[in-house]
Amino acid sequence: LAKTTQPISMDSYEGQEVNITCSHNNIATNDYITWYQQFPSQGPRFIIQGYKTKVTNEVASLFIPADRKSSTLSLPRVSLSDTAVYYCLVGDINTDKLIFGTGTRLQVFP
Amino acid sequence: NAGVMQNPRHLVRRRGQEARLRCSPMKGHSHVYWYRQLPEEGLKFMVYLQKENIIDESGMPKERFSAEFPKEGPSILRIQQVVRGDSAAYFCASSFKDGNTIYFGEGSWLTVV
Repeated sequence: LAKTTQPISMDSYEGQEVNITCSHNNIATNDYITWYQQFPSQGPRFIIQGYKTKVTNEVASLFIPADRKSSTLSLPRVSLSDTAVYYCLVGDINTDKLIFGTGTRLQVFP
Repeated sequence: NAGVMQNPRHLVRRRGQEARLRCSPMKGHSHVYWYRQLPEEGLKFMVYLQKENIIDESGMPKERFSAEFPKEGPSILRIQQVVRGDSAAYFCASSFKDGNTIYFGEGSWLTVV
């Protein structure tokens, strides 16, 4: 199982871009990189998933370098409602379970 | 399309009672996962099931905990003779058979008094 390492916490202000980097040095060939967002008392919410290069949706962008040993979740122009814990997961659910790390606690200030 | 549905959302049990948590996967999903989250901690994998099969139960406590996903009906996580340490949020997730993404329900909060 590919282990992930993320910063424990990050602070930002409204309107700023936030980049959260996740390290996964032993990622396997078939592994995908998936990010979830979790608010208190709620289930994790899927944000974005990628395999390589760049993926963008209406919520975020995911940057994955060629060696795939890290990935960066980019949240453009954060608001107070983006305050949450963000989890980076690496794995192939067709062969193994997804393991959650400790996540990154993002605090957005006005 | 309805998401992953879990019930009850909140459950209170006295020590020694049984707790049953139910999970209906998203439409078309045949794989179910259960995770547990203690207060202020991350999610811990418990069990992974397909219809009528337990694929991986490496995260399940050896005693008092069981899970099933019958051919018909929701997946059930059953905790017998609950103790205070079982108090936690239990999250269910589901996926397609050959999918790459799992989607979570809103969780069931178990409180043991």
